[in-house]
Amino acid sequence: GQQLNQSPQSMFIQEGEDVSMNCTSSSIFNTWLWYKQDPGEGPVLLIALYKAGELTSNGRLTAQFGITRKDSFLNISASIPSDVGIYFCAGQGGSNYKLTFGKGTLLTVNP
Amino acid sequence: EAEVAQSPRYKITEKSQAVAFWCDPISGHATLYWYRQILGQGPELLVQFQDESVVDDSQLPKDRFSAERLKGVDSTLKIQPAELGDSAMYLCASSFISGRSYEQYFGPGTRLTVT
Repeated sequence: GQQLNQSPQSMFIQEGEDVSMNCTSSSIFNTWLWYKQDPGEGPVLLIALYKAGELTSNGRLTAQFGITRKDSFLNISASIPSDVGIYFCAGQGGSNYKLTFGKGTLLTVNP
Repeated sequence: EAEVAQSPRYKITEKSQAVAFWCDPISGHATLYWYRQILGQGPELLVQFQDESVVDDSQLPKDRFSAERLKGVDSTLKIQPAELGDSAMYLCASSFISGRSYEQYFGPGTRLTVT
């Protein structure tokens, strides 16, 4: 099946620093989604991208849909302690809009 | 703000017992998904419903798992008998697929521990 490579696996940063993470795929996707998951909770949708090359912001978060439709990145600017969590990318394709998730990036922010 | 509801939040059961999870999607969302998430991994789709019909259950272990959405609203996922390897987070998501709105919204999940 389709595989998503999400990197880095984990990041440990200082408060105020910017963060960048990305996802690559061997297959083309029609939509890229980015989620954040806190321990013991379900994923929360952060940003959805629908068009190749699209750049979308949500507050301090910015995400881009790669031109090849096989990759996406997420940037977080001026990180704060509540940014701690696991960030997942998900690609969506096929006639039934199935999501394929990456393995996640664990973000730790040191105050 | 509308949310996906799931219950129970936590379930501990012994192997070979039956267990069931319930999900109530966001009102108006015709598509409902059940995912399983193993610790350290991303969610993996078990079954997808469009209204009351199963669209995709290719990854559902049908010898022990069953899912239903009888009236096209809430849904139940059942495991019988539970095995140790079923310990995981079970997530329900829903979406309203129209135009560009393919976004899936997740519930809080049910953490299952099989002993």
